[in-house]
Order: sequence, then structure tokens, then C-alpha cells
Amino acid sequence: GDSVTQTEGPVTLSEGTSLTVNCSYETKQYPTLFWYVQYPGEGPQLLFKVPKANEKGSNRGFEATYNKEATSFHLQKASVQESDSAVYYCALGLSGSFNKLTFGAGTRLAVCP
Amino acid sequence: GPKVLQIPSHQIIDMGQMVTLNCDPVSNHLYFYWYKQILGQQMEFLVNFYNGKVMEKSKLFKDQFSVERPDGSYFTLKIQPTALEDSAVYFCASSFGTGGIEQYFGPGTRLTVL
Repeated sequence: GDSVTQTEGPVTLSEGTSLTVNCSYETKQYPTLFWYVQYPGEGPQLLFKVPKANEKGSNRGFEATYNKEATSFHLQKASVQESDSAVYYCALGLSGSFNKLTFGAGTRLAVCP
Repeated sequence: GPKVLQIPSHQIIDMGQMVTLNCDPVSNHLYFYWYKQILGQQMEFLVNFYNGKVMEKSKLFKDQFSVERPDGSYFTLKIQPTALEDSAVYFCASSFGTGGIEQYFGPGTRLTVL
């Protein structure tokens, strides 16, 4: 079946340092890939999505490239801020499955000032 | 942005009782979803619902589970009877369409079955 594997957390960084959260996926179909972010007491909210292979998505300084050959969708940010502290979820969605999302386990990021 | 509301935020019940989790989706959305997240584990798809029907459900969506959205009101998840393994956070989501369209999530209902 479909699956998503991502960097195991927690990840603790100092403000101003760079972030990489690895995400790998498995599916026999052609997914849309998502990064969601979840803050305490809230539900996951979309950070960005990429529907096509070899394209890049970005938002708020975060970016990820849909690498079909490597089946990866790693999240990166050049300089994190304390406000980036949250849980980050990589997910895949298949158009033929009525939009069911398959999530990774989530990576908790803590950024220290 | 658009908000999905969930009521209650926390529910504690005894095993064997019935529970109904309520979701108020985004007003013009047509597709509705429930996901389950056991503490420390990943969020997993339970069911999606469109035009009054279940379109797809996972193995986690046991016979004791049911969903409905009567007359465009709350989208509900009912569990009857509950079991200890139903303890989890349940997230409701809604979307305008499918095919990679963004889902909007509620804050979750934490269900504790004693």
C-alpha cells in the first residue's frame, strides 16, 4: 500500500540555522505531495503542495522539490525562526482515491532563540 | 482562512457507551473526512463522505463506526459501542473538491475511552 516516511523527531535547532526534514514516499500511482504544519491546539494546515514531478513548492521560506526518481519530497528552510516551532507532516494524495491523504508520522521541530 | 470546527474538544466515556463527534466543515465544501491519530502515532484516514454517501473507508473504520451529515448540518462520526482502542484524537477535514485539492482540518476531538 501507499506509505510516507519522514525524519523522526524531535528536531531542535537554534534560530537562524537551516532545516531539512526528509520525506520519502511509496506508491504505485502518481501522487500530489503535501507538507502540512500543525501548531499546538490546532489541526494541520497546508504549508504547500506540489502536484507534478520535478516541480518545487514553497511558502513562508519553506520549500520542497517533488523528486519522482528518488521518491522524495524533503522540506528545507535556510534560516528557521522560533515561530517555526511546530509539527510538520509530509503527506501524499491520490486523485483516484477521493482525496484520501496518507500522512507521515510527523516531525516535531523546536527552535530555540 | 477557512475554519473547520469540532465539538467537543475532549470527550471521556466508558467502554461500551455510544459517542458522537461533531464537525462543522467549511461552508461551501462538498467532501468530508475523518482521520484518527493515536498518541505518538501517525494520522490515519478513516473515511470520506460526499453527497450523502461514504465514498471510501479504511480498515480502521469498523462496523461500530458510522458517519452522516443530515440536512447540511454537522458532519458526525458515531461510535457504538466504543472500545478501549478507540481512544485517540479524531480530526475532521473538508475540501471543495478532490484530485489533490487542499483539505482543511479541524483542531481535533480527543476521545478517551475508559
